[in-house]
Amino acid sequence: NAGVTQTPKFQVLKTGQSMTLQCAQDMNHEYMSWYRQDPGMGLRLIHYSVGAGITDQGEVPNGYNVSRSTTEDFPLRLLSAAPSQTSVYFCASGGGHGYTFGSGTRLTVV
Amino acid sequence: AQSVTQLGSHVSVSEGALVLLRCNYSSSVPPYLFWYVQYPNQGLQLLLKYTTGATLVKGINGFEAEFKKSETSFHLTKPSAHMSDAAEYFCAVSGAGTYKYIFGTGTRLKVLA
Repeated sequence: NAGVTQTPKFQVLKTGQSMTLQCAQDMNHEYMSWYRQDPGMGLRLIHYSVGAGITDQGEVPNGYNVSRSTTEDFPLRLLSAAPSQTSVYFCASGGGHGYTFGSGTRLTVV
Repeated sequence: AQSVTQLGSHVSVSEGALVLLRCNYSSSVPPYLFWYVQYPNQGLQLLLKYTTGATLVKGINGFEAEFKKSETSFHLTKPSAHMSDAAEYFCAVSGAGTYKYIFGTGTRLKVLA
């Protein structure tokens, strides 16, 4: 089925470790984004991309890197994990007429 | 710049009663407005959207919303709540022709038997 695929679904990291959250879409959307969801704060935009080779920062970009080498993939890298990055992360693709969201990655940093 | 305010982080209604979830926005450009629903341990699913044209928008599962520019509101309604409507609902705004969505903090809907 067409959609947005995120891996892994769950992850526990130790403080200071690095990791990459994977996101892939098969709908040929130009626009992709990463959000984090925290209780009482809704979804906050981390980074977004309007096409291959083009990325920009959202509201809460510190501690995260992204790249967009293909239309399909938009990985999110945590360079040195901190407990404040414990959250649920969602990848989305689409654009001005609505997003399709992945099922999320629940990340715990201890 | 855009922002979204959802009034009421928790709303409880009886099964069969009217559902009203409030959303107010601010936008310096013509807005696109969205409502999303999130069931436990799942991603977000688009309920409905307003971009241009008719201000009363109908979505899935019997929900609808009305864009009121004068009140800067986009409230979500459903005439008769069902137990399966229990979920968290998010309002979002983007500027027309842009792709950066700003989400509200969400309203958790509880449906009482």
